[in-house]
Amino acid sequence: QKEVEQDPGPLSVPEGAIVSLNCTYSNSAFQYFMWYRQYSRKGPELLMYTYSSGNKEDGRFTAQVDKSSKYISLFIRDSQPSDSATYLCAMSGRSTGGTSYGKLTFGQGTILTVHP
Amino acid sequence: DAGVIQSPRHEVTEMGQEVTLRCKPISGHNSLFWYRQTMMRGLELLIYFNNNVPIDDSGMPEDRFSAKMPNASFSTLKIQPSEPRDSAVYFCASIRDGTRTYQETQYFGPGTRLLVL
Repeated sequence: QKEVEQDPGPLSVPEGAIVSLNCTYSNSAFQYFMWYRQYSRKGPELLMYTYSSGNKEDGRFTAQVDKSSKYISLFIRDSQPSDSATYLCAMSGRSTGGTSYGKLTFGQGTILTVHP
Repeated sequence: DAGVIQSPRHEVTEMGQEVTLRCKPISGHNSLFWYRQTMMRGLELLIYFNNNVPIDDSGMPEDRFSAKMPNASFSTLKIQPSEPRDSAVYFCASIRDGTRTYQETQYFGPGTRLLVL
């Protein structure tokens, strides 16, 4: 079983829809949770960053973390065709030595298409 | 800041040839990661360095792959000999790894698209 599970989709929605993307994980040591967005033929870029449980909102994007359920979500409101991309969840924690060296564990990515 | 720089952006080679991919991390970042991305397997971590020292190379698929980081501003990933199944996009990413008090995130380069014929 992978440490991080993410439904690869693909997911196709009409413009203006609310999109929900999700990841589950098994490692209780994860404390930092991120969502990356990757456009076609580009490198992943950081979209949202949260620490521990709770919600974080940035414009049309909301990230939720539920550590008790080991479940994270990304919501996109009023989705636009420009949101069409692959969305990867990523997470990290601390080793017993105090540093993870910045290593991230990624989900497989969900391919999202928002059509006009 | 120029971001993470990778070269070449595209590489087409024939099976059996040596391939060298290059990466320049963001100045001040002390951890560097090499990834491979394919449709079938997603983003795979190959190897990562901290302060120029390899920390974990368990993701390197086989002995044909090797990576070096001779200084804080340069790293290479070499495949010798290359095989068609090595065709993928190879990403380099860097991060300034801190102490318990803060955590930054990885910044990715644009990737190198490798096609081995």
